Amino acid sequence: EVQLVESGGGLVQPGGSLRLSCAASGFTFSSYSMNWVRQAPGKGLEWVSYISSSSSTIYYADSVKGRFTISRDNAKNSLYLQMNSLRAEDTAVYYCARVLPPQDAFDIWGQGTMVTVSS
Amino acid sequence: EIVLTQSPGTLSLSPGERATLSCRASQSVSSSYLAWYQQKPGQAPRLLIYGASSRATGIPDRFSGSGSGTDFTLTISRLEPEDFAVYYCQQYGSSPWTFGQGTKVGNQT
Repeated sequence: EVQLVESGGGLVQPGGSLRLSCAASGFTFSSYSMNWVRQAPGKGLEWVSYISSSSSTIYYADSVKGRFTISRDNAKNSLYLQMNSLRAEDTAVYYCARVLPPQDAFDIWGQGTMVTVSS
Repeated sequence: EIVLTQSPGTLSLSPGERATLSCRASQSVSSSYLAWYQQKPGQAPRLLIYGASSRATGIPDRFSGSGSGTDFTLTISRLEPEDFAVYYCQQYGSSPWTFGQGTKVGNQT
């Protein structure tokens, strides 16, 4: 079964850091580009970051640029999001999502992990 | 940045009725790189349509997408009870990828 499972969420103080992980299974992870998407409580979806299959291309939303770092380990079938200098407005469910080639829509999503930034 | 505006915000319909959801882009979406997702409470989004009109794997044919340029439509021909949810459009033709604010399809009965 094709599956993505996020972990690493939790409660963190403003200014703190957190590292999210996304474990992939059931497909050849190294062949797919990946994304992080977040959803604040009761709000819509916001794309956060993209990484190509070989990590050669990386994009960030302006709202997280300079604070978040996306990375992947193809040997471990894992995607990561290092989040630094966290703000209250970063509070959200964070989803990892696979890119459907060649069209690039997001075809497989994890169940999400909640990040709460609060003192 | 391409801004996507979905309308209406809420659609109140009954099972068996037809639903028509609109997504308008602030500038042309390249190569019709427009997708539609369905999200139910407490669940992750699910890809329904990509490339403006292609159904994703396993999506019933009552779901159809159309449009190009700046105007796109998702149509659900006959609503089933499991179709009541929030629907988002997304453009992935140019970074930053952006989503519409969502349309909630609610059960009128």
